[in-house]
Amino acid sequence: GEDVEQSLFLSVREGDSSVINCTYTDSSSTYLYWYKQEPGAGLQLLTYIFSNMDMKQDQRLTVLLNKKDKHLSLRIADTQTGDSAIYFCAERHGGYQKVTFGIGTKLQVIP
Amino acid sequence: SQTIHQWPATLVQPVGSPLSLECTVEGTSNPNLYWYRQAAGRGLQLLFYSVGIGQISSEVPQNLSASRPQDRQFILSSKKLLLSDSGFYLCAWSDRVVETQYFGPGTRLLVL
Repeated sequence: GEDVEQSLFLSVREGDSSVINCTYTDSSSTYLYWYKQEPGAGLQLLTYIFSNMDMKQDQRLTVLLNKKDKHLSLRIADTQTGDSAIYFCAERHGGYQKVTFGIGTKLQVIP
Repeated sequence: SQTIHQWPATLVQPVGSPLSLECTVEGTSNPNLYWYRQAAGRGLQLLFYSVGIGQISSEVPQNLSASRPQDRQFILSSKKLLLSDSGFYLCAWSDRVVETQYFGPGTRLLVL
């Protein structure tokens, strides 16, 4: 089956690094995504990684993919209060338009 | 650049009333279009997706229906709303190459 799992909540202090983890089950996943949702808003695409990559870095964001363990993580360096939001992990299944989303991890940044 | 619009932003409707939510995309042609529902501020449930005009696939049996009368217009409808239809409805589009999904601002629906 297709399933994406994330922890529900993460709390970090401003200036520290945040690491949000995600596991998925579909070995045929082609793309994996991280989205950010601020209160009352739609989902904003942060970054994505192709399944043949191990790592992708974009400014303060680092995505790590362990395809063997089906584990994806998002590291936010120097976390700011503006990073407080819900972060969704998502996987796109090969040859199909369907994307499965995790339940979302709520990141709380403490000043 | 591409933009996606949804309206209304917020809607309060009585049980049993009809519903029509609209989503339009600008700046792209022949997109894939999606309707999601997000209940209780959390996970997303895919309701419908469309790969072309008049082509609708339903992911879950429900009280809602979708239509795509034009290439960049996607409508979510109901003839009679239920309390359980309350939620945050998100429209998304993707192109046919990378197929990354981009989301609209959402419509918050409260059925009373």
